[in-house]
Amino acid sequence: DARVTQTPRHKVTEMGQEVTMRCQPILGHNTVFWYRQTMMQGLELLAYFRNRAPLDDSGMPKDRFSAEMPDATLATLKIQPSEPRDSAVYFCASGPLPGVVEQFFGPGTRLTVL
Amino acid sequence: GENVEQHPSTLSVQEGDSAVIKCTYSDSASNYFPWYKQELGKRPQLIIDIRSNVGEKKDQRIAVTLNKTAKHFSLHITETQPEDSAVYFCAASNQGSQGNLIFGKGTKLSVKP
Repeated sequence: DARVTQTPRHKVTEMGQEVTMRCQPILGHNTVFWYRQTMMQGLELLAYFRNRAPLDDSGMPKDRFSAEMPDATLATLKIQPSEPRDSAVYFCASGPLPGVVEQFFGPGTRLTVL
Repeated sequence: GENVEQHPSTLSVQEGDSAVIKCTYSDSASNYFPWYKQELGKRPQLIIDIRSNVGEKKDQRIAVTLNKTAKHFSLHITETQPEDSAVYFCAASNQGSQGNLIFGKGTKLSVKP
């Protein structure tokens, strides 16, 4: 049963610290999405990649957030410096083919910034 | 860009009753409309989807309808059960573009035994 995996599942950190979240998409999937989920804003798209190239990161605060896909099996989302308002659940999702938009979500990383 | 509105934000029904969740979208070019279910503390999972060349799709107790003219689509759950309690998200996408989904804000469905 192929699934998207994410690490860590939970992260508590102090304001100003760097946070790195990792995602392993389903093998063979070439599109990777990063979402942030909060009670107030729901599911917000932060960035996404196709064939490891960033397609859109307009949903991401550029001054502190960065997303990369160093290889086909790893996507990273980094926050530096972190702030309390970044506290949320961050989901990664992957999709199989261009134009096929069914997305498979990972379990999420619950981030708490104190 | 696309904007998806979802109503209601919360919905409470008695077990066995039907539940209906409605979404509207703004981009007439959108042609793919999935619904995701998210149980408490879990990941969103696709439960049903519909493409713009179809007006209705059914899968057991779940059905989705699409009105392209009015730009709205709905999720219908019949004979609700307590395990249907979850947050449901609608989304819209233009598969001809980059393929990203724009989600509604979600509906928290509670099914009371």
